[in-house]
Order: sequence, then C-alpha cells, then structure tokens
Amino acid sequence: DAMVIQNPRYQVTQFGKPVTLSCSQTLNHNVMYWYQQKSSQAPKLLFHYYDKDFNNEADTPDNFQSRRPNTSFCFLDIRSPGLGDAAMYLCATSTGRGLFLEQYFGPGTRLTVT
Amino acid sequence: GQQLNQSPQSMFIQEGEDVSMNCTSSSIFNTWLWYKQDPGEGPVLLIALYKAGELTSNGRLTAQFGITRKDSFLNISASIPSDVGIYFCAGQLNNDMRFGAGTRLTVKP
Repeated sequence: DAMVIQNPRYQVTQFGKPVTLSCSQTLNHNVMYWYQQKSSQAPKLLFHYYDKDFNNEADTPDNFQSRRPNTSFCFLDIRSPGLGDAAMYLCATSTGRGLFLEQYFGPGTRLTVT
Repeated sequence: GQQLNQSPQSMFIQEGEDVSMNCTSSSIFNTWLWYKQDPGEGPVLLIALYKAGELTSNGRLTAQFGITRKDSFLNISASIPSDVGIYFCAGQLNNDMRFGAGTRLTVKP
C-alpha cells in the first residue's frame, strides 16, 4: 500500500546531541511537511518542501533543519536538541494541487531528550 | 494570524449517542478539513470541504463548511468505541493552514 513511513518510531537522544529523523513516501506527492506535536496539542508546522523549494515557518527555530534529497525522502535534523524539543514529529505529504490540502500523515517519531 | 477555536475540548459520551463538534474562526478559509488522530499515530483525514455551504458525509460522519466560510462542524452518528480519539479541524487559505486545538472524544461502552 502507498504510504508515508517514518523511522524510527521512537528516538532517544541526549541533550545537545544532533539527531536526524527520516520520512519516506510512496505516494509520489510533490509536497512534504514536518510538524512538531507536543502532548495534547495540535500539530505545529515547522517547514515544508514543494518539490525542491524549501519553505520555513517564521517561528521555526534555527535548530531545526530539513533536507529533501529526492521526491521520496525528507529528513528532519535537530542540530542541538534541548529538553523542550521532546515531542512527536510528524511527516506529511500532499499533492501539488494545493498546499495543505488533504495531507497524508506518517505515524510519527516520538523524540525523547535526556 | 488566523486563529481557530475548536469546541468542545473533550467529550464523554455513551456508545450509540451522536456527537457534534465545531470550529470557528475570525477570518475566512477556502478549505476546511477534519482529521482524527489515534494515540501514538499520525492524523488521518476524514473529510475535506471545499465550498461554502458544502455538506459532505463519510459513513457515519457528516461535516459542513459554514456559509460565512468562518466555521465548520463535524457530526458523528451512532458512536462506537473505535470512534475514540482526538478530532482536529484545520482551515486552509492560500499558503496558510491552521489546526484547531482538538476535541478529545471518549466513548463509554
């Protein structure tokens, strides 16, 4: 089945130790998004790629970076994780028909910072 | 920026009851979307609404795009235990999208 896959599902990292979360999709969608979701809150958009065009949300900290080497893969790099970065990180995709329309979400990676 | 107010925050209902939740905004949206999120999983799209006044059903779920373009509601009829989860509304306008804070639904058998 076509889907959005996130690895790993659970990631533990140390304070200040760089970590990379990965997302892949078999939907061949143009747009890929990264969201941060803290407990009992709505997902918060960090950035998105429309094809190779990177779009950063104004309030996304510089600590968060992203790479999209090809259509199928997108990575979230957290350069120096702090305790406040512990959260669920969700990857989503959508077609180029319209931004934010009908997004398909992956299962998420839950990040713990020790 | 545009803010979404989703209510209620939580609901505790008996199996078989109908459920209604809504989202309102001070600004208009072009699209309203409703997602459901199960614990430990990503949100899943339930219904997408593209036109003011549109009423769309997906099984026991019905959602409407308000005529003013500033609100939307989601109804669930004859709730079952697997309806448990968090329901998020989302409004989209051009290059912006906002999620509501979510409605946590608990269904008692």
